Amino acid sequence: EDQVTQSPEALRLQEGESSSLNCSYTVSGLRGLFWYRQDPGKGPEFLFTLYSAGEEKEKERLKATLTKKESFLHITAPKPEDSATYLCAVGVLGNEKLTFGTGTRLTIIP
Amino acid sequence: DAGVIQSPRHEVTEMGQEVTLRCKPISGHDYLFWYRQTMMRGLELLIYFNNNVPIDDSGMPEDRFSAKMPNASFSTLKIQPSEPRDSAVYFCASSTPAGTQYFGPGTRLLVL
Repeated sequence: EDQVTQSPEALRLQEGESSSLNCSYTVSGLRGLFWYRQDPGKGPEFLFTLYSAGEEKEKERLKATLTKKESFLHITAPKPEDSATYLCAVGVLGNEKLTFGTGTRLTIIP
Repeated sequence: DAGVIQSPRHEVTEMGQEVTLRCKPISGHDYLFWYRQTMMRGLELLIYFNNNVPIDDSGMPEDRFSAKMPNASFSTLKIQPSEPRDSAVYFCASSTPAGTQYFGPGTRLLVL
């Protein structure tokens, strides 16, 4: 069974304090690993897709990396507007389904 | 593009009533997904369609739930009869083949 585990459940950082969020996964055949951001009262917003171990992608203060067992979302010098829940999901080869983790709730304190 | 459109945004109903949630996917997307999100269970896939045909409904919790996609631009998720444990946020998402899923704003359902 495909499984996705995110840690920590919640993270509070001071503005400018860099850190990383973890997404561990087990899957029969990885089609892609997806990162989404979700603000309260809104739908998940797509951030990145990673397809193979060693791949990295960046967007503003965020950088996502991928190994064969986990993905990290690194946030550098975060700002209060980066506060949100970050979700990761895995897609399996041969179908279109995504399995989501339960998310990390990130709070950036001014 | 307007993105995925869902209606209503909020629904409050009484136990036993029928609830119908609606979704308009992004034009040109072949796949449509219905998810449910709760604090306890997170984001769960209920059912997904390819070219209007249901492909996998293994996540539909029970027979009280049904989904249809009569054409490429419209889908419904129906709960009949509704129960308090159905209270959740329901999301619709759409994608191209092997593409990124884009989510709608969700429908917040409260069953009293």
